[in-house]
Amino acid sequence: SQTIHQWPATLVQPVGSPLSLECTVEGTSNPNLYWYRQAAGRGLQLLFYSVGIGQISSEVPQNLSASRPQDRQFILSSKKLLLSDSGFYLCAWSLNINYGYTFGSGTRLTVV
Amino acid sequence: GESVGLHLPTLSVQEGDNSIINCAYSNSASDYFIWYKQESGKGPQFIIDIRSNMDKRQGQRVTVLLNKTVKHLSLQIAATQPGDSAVYFCAEGPSSGYSTLTFGKGTMLLVSP
Repeated sequence: SQTIHQWPATLVQPVGSPLSLECTVEGTSNPNLYWYRQAAGRGLQLLFYSVGIGQISSEVPQNLSASRPQDRQFILSSKKLLLSDSGFYLCAWSLNINYGYTFGSGTRLTVV
Repeated sequence: GESVGLHLPTLSVQEGDNSIINCAYSNSASDYFIWYKQESGKGPQFIIDIRSNMDKRQGQRVTVLLNKTVKHLSLQIAATQPGDSAVYFCAEGPSSGYSTLTFGKGTMLLVSP
């Protein structure tokens, strides 16, 4: 069966520090991968998605970047965090958009 | 597709009541619709889905209704329990050619004992 792993679960980082959040999927090949952000009490904001290795689509211009170095690995990064980068970051995967996504457990990022 | 900016609307019900959560979708060409449940501090989880060739689909204690004429989707939860307290998101997917779902703004369901 397929599983999605996202870590860390929580992270507190100072303003100006770098960020690296990792997401991996097991049990499948060539998934579509997604990064979402969710502010407290808000909806889901699509940040990046990828349909293959090295293919990244950015939905919102911002202080973040994404990379897909391997088929089942999706990384969200920042060189210098801002206070506004705080939020709940969710990774998700799908094989076929007509069957929806499966989300990871999320990373709570607090920038201080 | 994203649903950001606004605080979530809230539906408060008593335990045992039936709950109805509504969602208006935007794309008349959307072919696939999903409801997700997100508990506090967790990722959204799939509840039930429906395709555009159906009007109704039932699961365990949940029913999804689709009205394509007015682009409206609803989730009905029977005999609501405290464990149903969560944020519920609807999502729509296109028939082909796209790789992302479009999410609704979400509704917070609060169930009191």
